Amino acid sequence: GAVVSQHPSRVICKSGTSVKIECRSLDFQATTMFWYRQFPKQSLMLMATSNEGSKATYEQGVEKDKFLINHASLTLSTLTVTSAHPEDSSFYICSARFSQLLFGSGTQLSVL
Amino acid sequence: AQTVTQSQPEMSVQEAETVTLSCTYDTSESDYYLFWYKQPPSRQMILVIRQEAYKQQNATENRFSVNFQKAAKSFSLKISDSQLGDAAMYFCAYRSAGSHFGNEKLTFGTGTRLTIIP
Repeated sequence: GAVVSQHPSRVICKSGTSVKIECRSLDFQATTMFWYRQFPKQSLMLMATSNEGSKATYEQGVEKDKFLINHASLTLSTLTVTSAHPEDSSFYICSARFSQLLFGSGTQLSVL
Repeated sequence: AQTVTQSQPEMSVQEAETVTLSCTYDTSESDYYLFWYKQPPSRQMILVIRQEAYKQQNATENRFSVNFQKAAKSFSLKISDSQLGDAAMYFCAYRSAGSHFGNEKLTFGTGTRLTIIP
C-alpha cells in the first residue's frame, strides 16, 4: 500500500557538517511533499512545501539557504540541513498526500 | 492566519473509561477540514479522525468521535472505552479546503499527552 518512507530515522553529526534526509513516496506519486519540524514536547511546524520540478516554498522565518529542499522526482524529496549547528537539532517529518495526508516516520537530528 | 489551540497539555484516564480532548481554532474561512492525529512514542503520525466543516454531522471512527461546534470554533475528541494503546500525544490540526496549491498544509495545535491508567 501507499507509504511515505523517510530515512535516516536518526542521525548524529558534528557542527558545521551537512545532513541529507530523504522522503520517498512508495506505491504512489507525490507532486507535493511537506516538511515539518518538531521541537521536543512541541507541535509540528511546517517548514516548507516541496514541489516536483520546481522550487520549494518556504514558510516565513525558515532559512532557505540552510534548509535546502530538492524534489527531483515524483517519488523523492530531500531536505539538506547545511552547516548544521546544535540549534538545528530537532525531529524532522515529511508528508505527502495519497487520499489522506501520509507522514514519514521522522528523522531525529542531533548536532554536536 | 489560522491558529489551533489545545489547552490541555496533559490528560489521564482510567482504562475502559471515556476521555474528551479539547481543541479550539480561529479562522475567517467558511470551508475547511479539521483533524485529530495521534503520535505514539514511535513518533509516527497517525490520522485518528477527520471532519469537514460543511458537514453538520459529527465524525465517528469506532471508539473515536468528535464534537464539532462550528459557530464556537470548537472541535473536541472523545475516546470511549480507553485502551492502553491509546496512550500518545494527540494533535488537533486545521487545513483549508480547496485544491489549489498550498491548501494541503496543516496547522497543528500544541498537543495533549494522554496517559491511560491501567
